[in-house]
Amino acid sequence: TQLLEQSPQFLSIQEGENLTVYCNSSSVFSSLQWYRQEPGEGPVLLVTVVTGGEVKKLKRLTFQFGDARKDSSLHITAAQPGDTGLYLCAGASGNTGKLIFGQGTTLQVKP
Amino acid sequence: EAGVTQSPTHLIKTRGQQATLRCSPISGHTSVYWYQQALGLGLQFLLWYDEGEERNRGNFPPRFSGRQFPNYSSELNVNALELEDSALYLCASSSMHRGYTFGSGTRLTVV
Repeated sequence: TQLLEQSPQFLSIQEGENLTVYCNSSSVFSSLQWYRQEPGEGPVLLVTVVTGGEVKKLKRLTFQFGDARKDSSLHITAAQPGDTGLYLCAGASGNTGKLIFGQGTTLQVKP
Repeated sequence: EAGVTQSPTHLIKTRGQQATLRCSPISGHTSVYWYQQALGLGLQFLLWYDEGEERNRGNFPPRFSGRQFPNYSSELNVNALELEDSALYLCASSSMHRGYTFGSGTRLTVV
């Protein structure tokens, strides 16, 4: 059974601080996706990483896919209150149409 | 471009009843995916439909079923509702498996 372990589960920081969220598995994924979900809404895709070692930047967010395509990280620089939300990583494997989701990281950024 | 639309937004049913949830994908997307997001369990893959056919299903009992119509919209049916079926049901669509667009979900409450 493929699992994605996401850590930390909860993170409460002050505005301006940096943070990193980790997503780890013993399984290899063909791609890894990061989503952000607001209460009462569906997850919104932030980025997809496909190649081992790949790094993608989205403004203050930096996403990295591990060399072996088993893990990923999300780093936020100078967090802002607008970054508050639930961050989810999800791995795809083959042509199954199935994403394996991590349990999520609830981030609270205090002004 | 209209996003993925789901209806109804909220549904309250009694244990043992049947629930029908609907999803309209983004125009041009032929694949529709259904996920269950129950409290404390994260997002669990339910079903994948593509070109009118069921392509894959997750580890859910047969009372969870669905179909995809010629216009690529989809319906999820849950029979013999149980209390633990209470959850947010999310539909997503894609034209490739690299990134999903999710709808806002249907909140199903079984009492």
